Amino acid sequence: EAGVTQFPSHSVIEKGQTVTLRCDPISGHDNLYWYRRVMGKEIKFLLHFVKESKQDESGMPNNRFLAERTGGTYSTLKVQPAELEDSGVYFCASSQDEGILYEQYFGPGTRLTVT
Amino acid sequence: EDQVTQSPEALRLQEGESSSLNCSYTVSGLRGLFWYRQDPGKGPEFLFTLYSAGEEKEKERLKATLTKKESFLHITAPKPEDSATYLCAVQAPGGAGGTSYGKLTFGQGTILTVHP
Repeated sequence: EAGVTQFPSHSVIEKGQTVTLRCDPISGHDNLYWYRRVMGKEIKFLLHFVKESKQDESGMPNNRFLAERTGGTYSTLKVQPAELEDSGVYFCASSQDEGILYEQYFGPGTRLTVT
Repeated sequence: EDQVTQSPEALRLQEGESSSLNCSYTVSGLRGLFWYRQDPGKGPEFLFTLYSAGEEKEKERLKATLTKKESFLHITAPKPEDSATYLCAVQAPGGAGGTSYGKLTFGQGTILTVHP
C-alpha cells in the first residue's frame, strides 16, 4: 500500500513569489492534515480536511495560505505571496477517520526555502 | 492553549545504556497522547497511542507510560538503530465548537543518539 506522498520534496523561491505544495493521501483516507515545522520550532498544525470540507483551519497563519481539497482526494497548499518566515518543512498526514483511535500517517514533507 | 514540553532536548547514550525521555503536557480535554519517531529527511512514524493515566504500551525496546501530567518513553538496552528524534503529541478537541478531533499538538522532540 502506497503511503502519503508529497510534491515537491524541496522548493526554493524568492520572497513575493507563489508556491503550491501537493499532498496525495493514502487511498481511502477521508481525513487529511497539513502541518509545518519552522526552523528550531515544533511541528505545528495548520488545518484538517474531512473529504473536501475544512473541519478545522485554526492553525492557518494568515490569508496568504490557501488550502484546497477538490473532490476529496489530493490536497494543495498555496502560499501567495511567500515571505521569508514561511520557510520550513510542510508535512501532510492522512487518517482513515478522525480521533484518537485512528493513526495519522505522515508524508516525507516538502522543504520550502524562501530567499 | 495546549502545550507540550519534551526533555531532554538531546540525549546521547552508549549501546545498552537504558534511559527515559519525558513529555509533560497542559491540555484541556486530553483525548490521547501519541509518540512518534522521526528519522532525518522523513516524516514522523507512529509508535504508540496512550488514552488514560496508568496506561502502558510496549514495542520492542520501547515502553511508553502515561500519568495525568506527563508521559515517559523508556528505552531499554538501546541499539544504534534507535537513534532518531522522538516526538510527543497530544490530541484535544478543536475546530469550531470543539467538535473536531484531528489536530495534534507536538513537543519539540528529543534527539536520541546511541553510540555503538
